[in-house]
Amino acid sequence: GAGVSQTPSNKVTEKGKYVELRCDPISGHTALYWYRQSLGQGPEFLIYFQGTGAADDSGLPNDRFFAVRPEGSVSTLKIQRTERGDSAVYLCASSKDRVPNTEAFFGQGTRLTVV
Amino acid sequence: TQLLEQSPQFLSIQEGENLTVYCNSSSVFSSLQWYRQEPGEGPVLLVTVVTGGEVKKLKRLTFQFGDARKDSSLHITAAQPGDTGLYLCAGAKTGGGNKLTFGTGTQLKVEL
Repeated sequence: GAGVSQTPSNKVTEKGKYVELRCDPISGHTALYWYRQSLGQGPEFLIYFQGTGAADDSGLPNDRFFAVRPEGSVSTLKIQRTERGDSAVYLCASSKDRVPNTEAFFGQGTRLTVV
Repeated sequence: TQLLEQSPQFLSIQEGENLTVYCNSSSVFSSLQWYRQEPGEGPVLLVTVVTGGEVKKLKRLTFQFGDARKDSSLHITAAQPGDTGLYLCAGAKTGGGNKLTFGTGTQLKVEL
């Protein structure tokens, strides 16, 4: 596709379960970002990949959160032992180069609800 | 803790009115961006400002970066219902890596 694709668009899970959120960036974009957004608030940075490596994971809230990008394209955000406080929209963005030197394009997000 | 505070948080106006949204911080940013986000979608970039005092215009939208690069404003002239959405400022800091720090957001609703 032409844009950043995130799947699933909605995910409802029970407290304590494990979830995986997928991001397909724009082809050729080397930089990939994950953000988390609560309703009506601005996105909060989680992690940034340059190629296959996590260049900055300072925004991950705790060790239950982990993200990978094994081939430098698709990325997966993994959350273990989910808690109700993890409920939010998880946004992925990609860019040709580092922001803000180039424009970051965002996906439509995955809405995660932990019940 | 959000480094960028936006005001107002909510704004509901009539079509044709003018409005200004503010984005303030105690930190200096090397550049600042403005985004608009619609329900169920990701944020879409409107503009990037990089020089203190810089003013950029995008049709009816005027963006200004403060002289000290700590604040910014977005002014919309003759608002239209299509301007409705969540407006977000986002800053990048020198030496702050390659991440954007987003503001708290301003939810704008323009009614007929």
